[in-house]
Amino acid sequence: ETGVTQTPRHLVMGMTNKKSLKCEQHLGHNAMYWYKQSAKKPLELMFVYNFKEQTENNSVPSRFSPECPNSSHLFLHLHTLQPEDSALYLCASSQDTGREKHYISYEQYFGPGTRLTVT
Amino acid sequence: SQQGEEDPQALSIQEGENATMNCSYKTSINNLQWYRQNSGRGLVHLILIRSNEREKHSGRLRVTLDTSKKSSSLLITASRAADTASYFCATDARNTDKLIFGTGTRLQVFP
Repeated sequence: ETGVTQTPRHLVMGMTNKKSLKCEQHLGHNAMYWYKQSAKKPLELMFVYNFKEQTENNSVPSRFSPECPNSSHLFLHLHTLQPEDSALYLCASSQDTGREKHYISYEQYFGPGTRLTVT
Repeated sequence: SQQGEEDPQALSIQEGENATMNCSYKTSINNLQWYRQNSGRGLVHLILIRSNEREKHSGRLRVTLDTSKKSSSLLITASRAADTASYFCATDARNTDKLIFGTGTRLQVFP
């Protein structure tokens, strides 16, 4: 678990607040991901970054804004969230996304997640 | 949309028994992965099986893949209480690099 860290681990915020989630990977990977995990729903991919470039935005509302300043750090900026945005937000990294190598998939390493509650 | 669906949704067994979980998906894949998640924590990668492989082993884990039936199974032999967790399959469709996760199987192993 220490390969990918996430802070904070728990966050309670009001609908008018602005907060940020942080993810850091110490594995030398090139790709990083944000996922949302809600109760009784499949893990939802939100964003993918490869070599700091966003390669995937899975129709995520604009109240979620990702930022990837370098290959080791990934942020998720939150503003004017809704109660239904309450979930576990997971960050992951992988060696690559596979897109450059005929879509060979790589295993993903996950952080422990941030449990977000929107009141 | 392509999605792995695990079966059963929940499974309870005694220590020492074997646990089998199944995953079905809809479209052709590059490969299939299995992950484990302890309650409220991040996922841990268990095993990756490529579309041209039929069976793979890792310790007490055995994964099979049947691309003709678009299904995979995860077998945990001689289960332990510490195996209690949710288990997810994840697939990637051909010509994409996105992993699509299923809803998971919740495994409870009683001492």
